[in-house]
Amino acid sequence: QLQLQESGPGLVKPSETLSLTCTVSGASITSGTYYWGWIRQPPGKGLEWIGIIYDTGRTYDNPSLKSRFTMSLDTSKNQFFLRLNIVTAADTAIYYCARGGESGFGEFEFWGQGTLVSVSS
Amino acid sequence: DIQMTQSPSSVSASVGDTVTITCRASQGVSNWLAWYQQKPGKAPNLLIYAASSLQSEVPSRFSGSGSGTDFTLTISSLQPEDFATYYCQQAYSFPYTFGQGTKLDIK
Repeated sequence: QLQLQESGPGLVKPSETLSLTCTVSGASITSGTYYWGWIRQPPGKGLEWIGIIYDTGRTYDNPSLKSRFTMSLDTSKNQFFLRLNIVTAADTAIYYCARGGESGFGEFEFWGQGTLVSVSS
Repeated sequence: DIQMTQSPSSVSASVGDTVTITCRASQGVSNWLAWYQQKPGKAPNLLIYAASSLQSEVPSRFSGSGSGTDFTLTISSLQPEDFATYYCQQAYSFPYTFGQGTKLDIK
């Protein structure tokens, strides 16, 4: 069974860089033509699509996030990553990593449990 | 960006009821639409993809319909475990976007 697990610092100071890792188990991130993605959810609010990355390294991200995000992957470790520069309190959220569905219709079929990131001095 | 608007924002219902949630896109998304259920403290769970295709192992009381700009999620014969928040998501064009959510609670 495919599993995804986010890991990160939990607390980040304003203006610093946030780095998150998603570790995939149960399947290789290079098997199939799936996309791997990041979604975030501020406490008590709705979901925000951040972006996706294919095993080729090609990415599609959310322009409204002003290019502060960078996605990458390490196929040898079966991990993919999210970096967010110059964080502010508005970046406080639960960050989820996820995998696209079999249908390829843009849905996310498998999700990690999420990791809470707080931005505070 | 394509804006997704769900209605209602919240709805109260009883076990056994049928509930319909609507999602409207600011421009046509064909059938590139998914529905998720989220319970407190948990990650979203995929219910429907391609507007009307039921995800594996999701109960058949969940159904989706629509195309273009107007979509519905219908839950028939509500069960206690169905009380949660529901989100639609378009995947027609980047950036993909979610609706603001519909909270379904017990009357």
